[in-house]
Amino acid sequence: GAGVSQSPSNKVTEKGKDVELRCDPISGHTALYWYRQSLGQGLEFLIYFQGNSAPDKSGLPSDRFSAERTGGSVSTLTIQRTQQEDSAVYLCASSLEGQKNQPQHFGDGTRLSIL
Amino acid sequence: GNSVTQMEGPVTLSEEAFLTINCTYTATGYPSLFWYVQYPGEGLQLLLKATKADDKGSNKGFEATYRKETTSFHLEKGSVQVSDSAVYFCALSDRGADGLTFGKGTHLIIQP
Repeated sequence: GAGVSQSPSNKVTEKGKDVELRCDPISGHTALYWYRQSLGQGLEFLIYFQGNSAPDKSGLPSDRFSAERTGGSVSTLTIQRTQQEDSAVYLCASSLEGQKNQPQHFGDGTRLSIL
Repeated sequence: GNSVTQMEGPVTLSEEAFLTINCTYTATGYPSLFWYVQYPGEGLQLLLKATKADDKGSNKGFEATYRKETTSFHLEKGSVQVSDSAVYFCALSDRGADGLTFGKGTHLIIQP
């Protein structure tokens, strides 16, 4: 389709396992964003990519979180040694060039549940 | 830092009522402002935007005006429908690389 695609849509895993979440942005969009949506914290911005580069990783919640983007397209968010507080919906968005006046288009998210 | 404040609700209205959802913001720069909507079981969708003072964004009968003097971006609709039931998020973008700053969302329930 033409929208932002995220996979898997749901992921249930045991505490301590690693998980990898995938985002495929809208074709031609150079800017890609990751957010986390949880009941207690609302919508939190995690990281921004312009092309393959993420200039600021300070929004990632801990050093167990990492993200990469290859080929200026698909991005993966990896969480190592998952904890129960990582349970949330992880949203990906893309925009044309990352300008502040350009709307971000969101995927349907990955609902992550840590047992 | 930047922040967005909006009523959390739930806000319950009857069909055809007038809707206002208040949104105020603080920002270090001159942000662009957005309203996003999340229908039950669906992802976030852009509803409307405004990028400079006095701009009015509109879509699907909803409107919001960028008021720099009151740092507000209130969402309005003249006659709501049951299908408008959703969670509405006000958001700002001050610098593209910093992502969107969201309010906590307003849960709107429209009763027939």
